[in-house]
Amino acid sequence: DSGVTQTPKHLITATGQRVTLRCSPRSGDLSVYWYQQSLDQGLQFLIQYYNGEERAKGNILERFSAQQFPDLHSELNLSSLELGDSALYFCASSVGPSDYNEQFFGPGTRLTVL
Amino acid sequence: DAKTTQPNSMESNEEEPVHLPCNHSTISGTDYIHWYRQLPSQGPEYVIHGLTSNVNNRMASLAIAEDRKSSTLILHRATLRDAAVYYCILSVYNNNDMRFGAGTRLTVKP
Repeated sequence: DSGVTQTPKHLITATGQRVTLRCSPRSGDLSVYWYQQSLDQGLQFLIQYYNGEERAKGNILERFSAQQFPDLHSELNLSSLELGDSALYFCASSVGPSDYNEQFFGPGTRLTVL
Repeated sequence: DAKTTQPNSMESNEEEPVHLPCNHSTISGTDYIHWYRQLPSQGPEYVIHGLTSNVNNRMASLAIAEDRKSSTLILHRATLRDAAVYYCILSVYNNNDMRFGAGTRLTVKP
């Protein structure tokens, strides 16, 4: 158990819909990262927040957005969903803002878009 | 962007050492080398990371070539629990865009 929690575990929705994925980092961690893992693209970094502010951006689509709240939990919002958005979405957390900090990954949310 | 190249798959026998190679010929001086692994149906798990010197921790050792163009993750005694996909990742200094490749799928035979 990494100490990172993600809800829900599974999500099934239809094309065009909007969903919100939630992540609670390990106690004491200030950074939250979001990743997408699909069969054809592998594990892709989407975005990072550190202490409430956006820190780094990866291959995140404009239809996707995220935020980190004052209690440090984070939400990833996915809108206008397409079939290709079906994937595992992982959240990770680390103590500090930098890439040399060990990242602790949650169990993931499996999103299925029908 | 600096890329890594790893073999698609490797096999090992239980209780034997495993050397997982990674080539990163375009690495720049400030890129960190990270290794993560992903067990079936789980999120990735940190294994080790380094910059220039060899590193050891309770899970593994990381041997970094002198020119830093390659590195090797060493599992000293493979167990069945070590069967996973191992990712070698470079991260650009102060840019947290960690680019996971396809990784090496390690099979451990009893």
